[in-house]
Amino acid sequence: EAQVTQNPRYLITVTGKKLTVTCSQNMNHEYMSWYRQDPGLGLRQIYYSMNVEVTDKGDVPEGYKVSRKEKRNFPLILESPSPNQTSLYFCATAYEGASTEAFFGQGTRLTVV
Amino acid sequence: KQEVTQIPAALSVPEGENLVLNCSFTDSAIYNLQWFRQDPGKGLTSLLLIQSSQREQTSGRLNASLDKSSGRSTLYIAASQPGDSATYLCAPYPGGQFYFGTGTSLTVIP
Repeated sequence: EAQVTQNPRYLITVTGKKLTVTCSQNMNHEYMSWYRQDPGLGLRQIYYSMNVEVTDKGDVPEGYKVSRKEKRNFPLILESPSPNQTSLYFCATAYEGASTEAFFGQGTRLTVV
Repeated sequence: KQEVTQIPAALSVPEGENLVLNCSFTDSAIYNLQWFRQDPGKGLTSLLLIQSSQREQTSGRLNASLDKSSGRSTLYIAASQPGDSATYLCAPYPGGQFYFGTGTSLTVIP
């Protein structure tokens, strides 16, 4: 079964405490990306990766880091979380190309206090 | 940068009605456009994918059309059911990232 797995699903943390949200896919997709969803703003891309060791900034990359050491994993790192990073985060994966169909994880609800 | 607008923002209809959700986008240079459904607090589920060379795509009671040159797509839902209540998002894909509108929140009243 095709799966995009995010962990954790829910997280409450304090300002400045480093955290990592993991994303793993079992479809051998080249493309992986992270989005955040905020009320009234919709989904905005944070970072994306077209393949192993290839990453690029999306529209809202400030305060985030990513790495792509293996094809199946694309962790999102918040080195020093702040309250304005409180949001619902989604990982998306796809084959790159004209027939690209995106698959999304179930989301991680992050609260930074 | 691609801008995506979805109209209406919210829609409430009685069960059984046919309805149309609209999506417009500013940059017609896209590979495809995808429609998603999102239930409250949940992830996105893909409904339909229309490639740029296609005019429409159908799945069950859903039909999506694409007019790339005018930057428009519509999602038609036939014989709506309470289980269709969700937020519907369209996402044109020019390569590199999917751009999303803020969605149409649909409520189907039994």
